[in-house]
Amino acid sequence: SQQGEEDPQALSIQEGENATMNCSYKTSINNLQWYRQNSGRGLVHLILIRSNEREKHSGRLRVTLDTSKKSSSLLITASRAADTASYFCATALTGDSGGYNKLIFGAGTRLAVHP
Amino acid sequence: KAGVTQTPRYLIKTRGQQVTLSCSPISGHRSVSWYQQTPGQGLQFLFEYFSETQRNKGNFPGRFSGRQFSNSRSEMNVSTLELGDSALYLCASSLDGGSVGATQYFGPGTRLLVL
Repeated sequence: SQQGEEDPQALSIQEGENATMNCSYKTSINNLQWYRQNSGRGLVHLILIRSNEREKHSGRLRVTLDTSKKSSSLLITASRAADTASYFCATALTGDSGGYNKLIFGAGTRLAVHP
Repeated sequence: KAGVTQTPRYLIKTRGQQVTLSCSPISGHRSVSWYQQTPGQGLQFLFEYFSETQRNKGNFPGRFSGRQFSNSRSEMNVSTLELGDSALYLCASSLDGGSVGATQYFGPGTRLLVL
């Protein structure tokens, strides 16, 4: 079963607007990662946030992590048409459920940015 | 550096056949993981190999197997194909430092259609 639940499932915005995607998970994590996928192709790593971090930035991306609520959010500022893609959160679990490089992915958010 | 490569990119098989997919990781990466992506189940972890040893395994039947060679290249095999095995199979490599949840670098995937 999937660890993460993401919402919304789909998001449609205009260029220049901000896009926020949320991810919730169920068990203890070592870190949480966000990936982007264009049209059923391979995934591209966006950002990794460790369990002892609360916020991280990378360019137009801002990720927050709240381990008490077991949730994370990805904010894309000033969206562009090229940001149109599916976005997935993935958790690296601690303990017996996880280990090494096993990632558990959420269902993803489909983002459409209209010119 | 060249990225992760997967061959073949597309494959059509019939039920009952078997298939072998190949993955070449980024040079210097010793960890290779495999994921299955379907519209219904999303992205699911299959297994991870490190130094020719399976280090982690997901919840898939024994028909799914894999191996890793001394040059870190990996293959996965699916025997007795079923219609439900139609999916995008993604390979990912990482520069494993022994920690949990390293950043994964994904290949473009192999799209398998079982008729």
